[in-house]
Amino acid sequence: AQSVAQPEDQVNVAEGNPLTVKCTYSVSGNPYLFWYVQYPNRGLQFLLKYITGDNLVKGSYGFEAEFNKSQTSFHLKKPSALVSDSALYFCAVRDMNTGGFKTIFGAGTRLFVKA
Amino acid sequence: GAGVSQSPSNKVTEKGKDVELRCDPISGHTALYWYRQSLGQGLEFLIYFQGNSAPDKSGLPSDRFSAERTGGSVSTLTIQRTQQEDSAVYLCASSSPFYNEQFFGPGTRLTVL
Repeated sequence: AQSVAQPEDQVNVAEGNPLTVKCTYSVSGNPYLFWYVQYPNRGLQFLLKYITGDNLVKGSYGFEAEFNKSQTSFHLKKPSALVSDSALYFCAVRDMNTGGFKTIFGAGTRLFVKA
Repeated sequence: GAGVSQSPSNKVTEKGKDVELRCDPISGHTALYWYRQSLGQGLEFLIYFQGNSAPDKSGLPSDRFSAERTGGSVSTLTIQRTQQEDSAVYLCASSSPFYNEQFFGPGTRLTVL
């Protein structure tokens, strides 16, 4: 069965500093990996995905994520955080070999960016 | 707009009543998903539909929950004999097999008194 772990409930970072939100996954086959963001009182929005190819993927709002197969990780990063990045971030995985379209989401990490 | 829509946006019901939640996916999206999100928490997978294939119901928490998708488009999630622990935001999403990412609706906030 596929699973996703976001080990940090909350991440605090100062504006202008780099940020990392961690995600590890477990699938039996090849993973499709996603990051979504949920801003306060707004719906979930897609940020970026890894399907195949380059391990470093770039997405919306200056975010990027690095796929690391050996560590089964897909950490979300941004070189310089903005206060407006404060939101709830979800990592998600699909198992392409066995899971069909079923997508499992992590528990979420709340990011606080202080001015 | 052409996004995913859900109705109602809010539903308050009494314990023991049945409720129906509706989702209109993006036109042409073959996959449709239902999730449940408790206050400030993660997304719990409930069910997904893909084209004409049998739905994956593995996430439905009990037999009080059911869902159908008519004509490959609109979906209805039904909760029978609602309980207080069913209170949550129910999110619907759709996706295209070509792009994989999901597009989410605004959700239905269900409150069971």
